[in-house]
Amino acid sequence: GENVEQHPSTLSVQEGDSAVIKCTYSDSASNYFPWYKQELGKGPQLIIDIRSNVGEKKDQRIAVTLNKTAKHFSLHITETQPEDSAVYFCAALEGGGADGLTFGKGTHLIIQP
Amino acid sequence: DVKVTQSSRYLVKRTGEKVFLECVQDMDHENMFWYRQDPGLGLRLIYFSYDVKMKEKGDIPEGYSVSREKKERFSLILESASTNQTSMYLCASSYTGRGNQPQHFGDGTRLSIL
Repeated sequence: GENVEQHPSTLSVQEGDSAVIKCTYSDSASNYFPWYKQELGKGPQLIIDIRSNVGEKKDQRIAVTLNKTAKHFSLHITETQPEDSAVYFCAALEGGGADGLTFGKGTHLIIQP
Repeated sequence: DVKVTQSSRYLVKRTGEKVFLECVQDMDHENMFWYRQDPGLGLRLIYFSYDVKMKEKGDIPEGYSVSREKKERFSLILESASTNQTSMYLCASSYTGRGNQPQHFGDGTRLSIL
């Protein structure tokens, strides 16, 4: 089955700086890659996703890049703000879509004031 | 906005009890999912369903079963609760297609088995 590795497990950045979280996946047939943000006491919330037919997608301060050849994708957050502090999860969907999402283990992003 | 509601935020049960976790979504989504979340392990898929009365095993189905009698409701059942099932349980739903659509999550049920 699919295996997703996520790094780093903890990331601390100064407010206003950029943050990058990286994920790799194992199944070359995977074709859908969402990113979720989870705040304390809440369920994961979808913040951006990318499908395998594009290499980059941007939504205001958030962007995701996908390299299918290398089987990795990354989340980029620019001009970080205190409210960006949370746990972020990447995920991948196996090609057939029959098994649901496989998640990385999460990155705890800390924005230092 | 999509609303996925889990009936309990916190639940405490005893070893050996039969436990029911309920999830309801209000967006007429065909697909529903149950995950468990543990520190350092991320989210792991327990069971999912693509239609009423239909269910498929995820990565860690042992000790669990599910029920989907109505489209909007998906129940997770712990047949005989054990302490290693103490965890955060998350329900999600998504629109049609073989899973290639955004999944929307509830806020979770934190279950403790004593």
